[in-house]
Amino acid sequence: DQQVKQNSPSLSVQEGRISILNCDYTNSMFDYFLWYKKYPAEGPTFLISISSIKDKNEDGRFTVFLNKSAKHLSLHIVPSQPGDSAVYFCAASLAGGGADGLTFGKGTHLIIQP
Amino acid sequence: NAGVMQNPRHLVRRRGQEARLRCSPMKGHSHVYWYRQLPEEGLKFMVYLQKENIIDESGMPKERFSAEFPKEGPSILRIQQVVRGDSAAYFCASSLQGGHQPQHFGDGTRLSIL
Repeated sequence: DQQVKQNSPSLSVQEGRISILNCDYTNSMFDYFLWYKKYPAEGPTFLISISSIKDKNEDGRFTVFLNKSAKHLSLHIVPSQPGDSAVYFCAASLAGGGADGLTFGKGTHLIIQP
Repeated sequence: NAGVMQNPRHLVRRRGQEARLRCSPMKGHSHVYWYRQLPEEGLKFMVYLQKENIIDESGMPKERFSAEFPKEGPSILRIQQVVRGDSAAYFCASSLQGGHQPQHFGDGTRLSIL
């Protein structure tokens, strides 16, 4: 039973355009969400996070949007750059009470085309 | 390099042997998490530890797997009597505090069982 779903295994975007990566979750108790970027043979690198009390968080080229009623979040990257080509993981946490382990989606492979 | 350090990067074991994976958290971090990633899958939470304490082991297999984070030294994930199905990438993460804090990952240990 997957509680965090990334339904697009891959996404191809032209350099300079906007990349939009989507993530859906089923557990309404999740209250903290994160996006990670991963290159082959490396560990995930933290990109940006959002708490459930917000609906948007921005950091440079990266913006995360949270729609709690739809249990949906998205990561926008603009403008997309060649170095953005990687696998992107969405993760969620119940947080608090010691239940801090992250629940990850299966990832979306983003390919930035020149 | 003040990041999360995992060693070894690659570990080969024969069925029935023991595997020991080590993780040194980022400087100043006292919260450690272990995750496992199977091919084409997202990371799956295994265990959350603070110094000398296991906080949440809900993702740990009931048998053969154990974890510790002693007062001095790295965190250890130990797998006894390994089987082929244990072949995976094992990632360690650390955070400054629990709760709504990003977890920062090491580059993982790739365990191969012959």
